[in-house]
Amino acid sequence: GAVVSQHPSWVICKSGTSVKIECRSLDFQATTMFWYRQFPKQSLMLMATSNEGSKATYEQGVEKDKFLINHASLTLSTLTVTSAHPEDSSFYICSAGRQKNIQYFGAGTRLSVL
Amino acid sequence: GENVEQHPSTLSVQEGDSAVIKCTYSDSASNYFPWYKQELGKGPQLIIDIRSNVGEKKDQRIAVTLNKTAKHFSLHITETQPEDSAVYFCAASIGTDKLIFGTGTRLQVFP
Repeated sequence: GAVVSQHPSWVICKSGTSVKIECRSLDFQATTMFWYRQFPKQSLMLMATSNEGSKATYEQGVEKDKFLINHASLTLSTLTVTSAHPEDSSFYICSAGRQKNIQYFGAGTRLSVL
Repeated sequence: GENVEQHPSTLSVQEGDSAVIKCTYSDSASNYFPWYKQELGKGPQLIIDIRSNVGEKKDQRIAVTLNKTAKHFSLHITETQPEDSAVYFCAASIGTDKLIFGTGTRLQVFP
């Protein structure tokens, strides 16, 4: 149990376009989902916390208009990188929260902006 | 806010030896401490966790110990195998709050 699916695993896009990443909890309902960014050989940096049916809470320094988060159901959250630029290239990882603050992670999405 | 420090940053061991990774946290209110294993190009995988009401937890070759007084917790891997090679992250959280991650330890197990 506790499977989190993240798609796509790898995406290449042109500068200025938008990219959507999906995160699904397959076998449990997640009232809270988290979005992280990870640079090479570095730790996970929390971008935002997403609660089903309400607005996401963004960490300091994260542009909410650039990284749009939608958590429409208990099993699906999406992250849209709007008007992507090369500096947005990174590894994006979602996690879904289960009871008592246990988080299960997706496999990650590698975004390359040309 | 909470701050988590993790040591060492890299660790090389011979197959069959033990590996120990240590983390310290700053906020005494933290009460949940998970450990994650991340393989190259993949998301972190929860391998073991411990809550503040216990001092030690074991799952086969993996164990975690918690010292609340000193505010540190450790991951112990015994009888290491090449497939244990990965980056390991510790984390801490308060209640149902977000996880604060350590900086990671790259473990290499040589056959």
